[in-house]
Amino acid sequence: QTVVTQEPSFSVSPGGTVTLTCGLSSDSVSTSYYPSWYQQTPGQAPRTLIYNTNTRSSGVPDRFSGSILGNKAALTITGAQADDESDYYCVLYMGSGISVFGGGTKLTVL
Amino acid sequence: EVQLLESGGGLVQPGGSLRLSCAASGFTFSSYAMSWVRQAPGKGLEWVSSFGRSGGGTYYADSVKGRFTISRDNSKNTLYLQMNSLRVEDAAVYYCAKRGAGAASYYFDSWGQGTLVTVSS
Repeated sequence: QTVVTQEPSFSVSPGGTVTLTCGLSSDSVSTSYYPSWYQQTPGQAPRTLIYNTNTRSSGVPDRFSGSILGNKAALTITGAQADDESDYYCVLYMGSGISVFGGGTKLTVL
Repeated sequence: EVQLLESGGGLVQPGGSLRLSCAASGFTFSSYAMSWVRQAPGKGLEWVSSFGRSGGGTYYADSVKGRFTISRDNSKNTLYLQMNSLRVEDAAVYYCAKRGAGAASYYFDSWGQGTLVTVSS
């Protein structure tokens, strides 16, 4: 069974930089997994931030960026703001039409 | 503007059935793959099923394979999810999501607001 791993929680100071990661239990994450990232606040639908590793979705500020760091996909938030406090999910495409979500990272800005 | 409006959620007993609908507008529906994603109360997001563009295939998470059926009616710009043999663990908010454009459209670029499915006796 494929498991996509994310840090359960992270905290960052306002104005600071944080990098959230997305790994695989059984392999290194590469661009071939087409990693994407989503932001969700409680009671709201998800919002698409990053797709195909590092392409920002329309309207997403450039302080959000995606990359591959080592053997994981990464989402970096530069200059964190209070309203960045959310849950962040990554998705990896496994092929054959199958997508798998990570467990999500709860980001606190304080 | 892309709009996705889910409906059909509600309370159902274990073993029962429910059909969810997602009415799409603001884009050429038949040109995009579509998906269902769910979120159990207090839990993370889980991909459930996808339907390719016109002529594309259907795909399911192992947790729903054999019980759920995804379909689409391009003439009505509507995506469906037929859910049979429902279990308590299927209780969740179900989101309709539009897949991205292009060859590498392995992401969700627009989301509906979700419809709540409760499975309880």
